[in-house]
Amino acid sequence: GENVEQHPSTLSVQEGDSAVIKCTYSDSASNYFPWYKQELGKGPQLIIDIRSNVGEKKDQRIAVTLNKTAKHFSLHITETQPEDSAVYFCAAREASGSRLTFGEGTQLTVNP
Amino acid sequence: EAGVVQSPRYKIIEKKQPVAFWCNPISGHNTLYWYRQNLGQGPELLIRYENEEAVDDSQLPKDRFSAERLKGVDSTLKIQPAELGDSAVYLCASSPTTSGGEQYFGPGTRLTVT
Repeated sequence: GENVEQHPSTLSVQEGDSAVIKCTYSDSASNYFPWYKQELGKGPQLIIDIRSNVGEKKDQRIAVTLNKTAKHFSLHITETQPEDSAVYFCAAREASGSRLTFGEGTQLTVNP
Repeated sequence: EAGVVQSPRYKIIEKKQPVAFWCNPISGHNTLYWYRQNLGQGPELLIRYENEEAVDDSQLPKDRFSAERLKGVDSTLKIQPAELGDSAVYLCASSPTTSGGEQYFGPGTRLTVT
């Protein structure tokens, strides 16, 4: 089955700085890669996703890049704000079905 | 548009007791998922429904866990009997597609087994 590794496990940045979270996946046939933000006591919230036929996608301060050859994808947050503080999860969907496999999460802290 | 609704939000039970969780997906979403999220980890799929059919239950511990989705809308996940290791957050998600993309999660039920 699919295996997703996520780094770093914790990330602390100053407000206004950029944050980058990286994930690698094992199944080269995986074709869909979402990112979720989870705040304390809440369920994961989909913030951006990318499909295997696209190399980069942006949505305001958030961007995701995908390198299929290297089997890794990254989340980029620019101009970070304190409200960006949360746990971020990457995931990969197996091409053989619709199961999402999640990474272990990254605790992002944005210091004012 | 209302999101995924789950109840209860919190549940504390003693080991060996039964427990049930309820989920109401986003209106019109035919695909429903139950996940378990252990502390400090990502969600792990337990079961996936397409309408009322369980199409992926390979990771559901069937000796103590059961689920149903009558009429293809609401779903219930049950544990009987609960064990200490079942303490976790149980998340329900729904999707408008059958391909696994764009899953929307509910707030979860935090289960504590003592």
